[in-house]
Amino acid sequence: GQQLNQSPQSMFIQEGEDVSMNCTSSSIFNTWLWYKQDPGEGPVLLIALYKAGELTSNGRLTAQFGITRKDSFLNISASIPSDVGIYFCAGQWGNKLVFGAGTILRVKS
Amino acid sequence: GAVVSQHPSRVICKSGTSVKIECRSLDFQATTMFWYRQFPKKSLMLMATSNEGSKATYEQGVEKDKFLINHASLTLSTLTVTSAHPEDSSFYICSATDPANTEAFFGQGTRLTVV
Repeated sequence: GQQLNQSPQSMFIQEGEDVSMNCTSSSIFNTWLWYKQDPGEGPVLLIALYKAGELTSNGRLTAQFGITRKDSFLNISASIPSDVGIYFCAGQWGNKLVFGAGTILRVKS
Repeated sequence: GAVVSQHPSRVICKSGTSVKIECRSLDFQATTMFWYRQFPKKSLMLMATSNEGSKATYEQGVEKDKFLINHASLTLSTLTVTSAHPEDSSFYICSATDPANTEAFFGQGTRLTVV
């Protein structure tokens, strides 16, 4: 079945630092999505990517859809304490989502 | 933006009892909803696709008689965990896709603890 490899598994960074995480897949997806999940809550969509090669920004967040449609990265610039949480990539094929394992982000003030 | 509401947010039940979890799309109609299960610090695993007016489609390894899904209206899907056991304790999350923009919105999740 389809699988997504997300890395790193966790990060502990200093406030103000930039963060980068990525996902790769053995399968092609039509859409790549990045979500953030706070403890005890459902995931919230951060960025959606619809075209191969697309680079999209949302405030301090930037994400790109790989040209091969098998990978994506998410960058967070100038991290702040409220960036703490679990970040998931997800590939969409049809109406189904396949999630990566998640990246746990901790920010030290 | 579109909102998906899930209820209850937390539930504790005794072994052998059944628990029903509701997922509602509040401002759009969803012909399809999805149910996921998430273990602590793990990813979301798709359990089943809930189809309005027809049977749910279950992922491999998910017991359909254990996890009953009903999608009786375009705004409500329910997941019933039947004869719950402690190993069913988990975080259950639903999602619904807004047909206007194909974006998937997630409920707040339900923490189920079976004692």
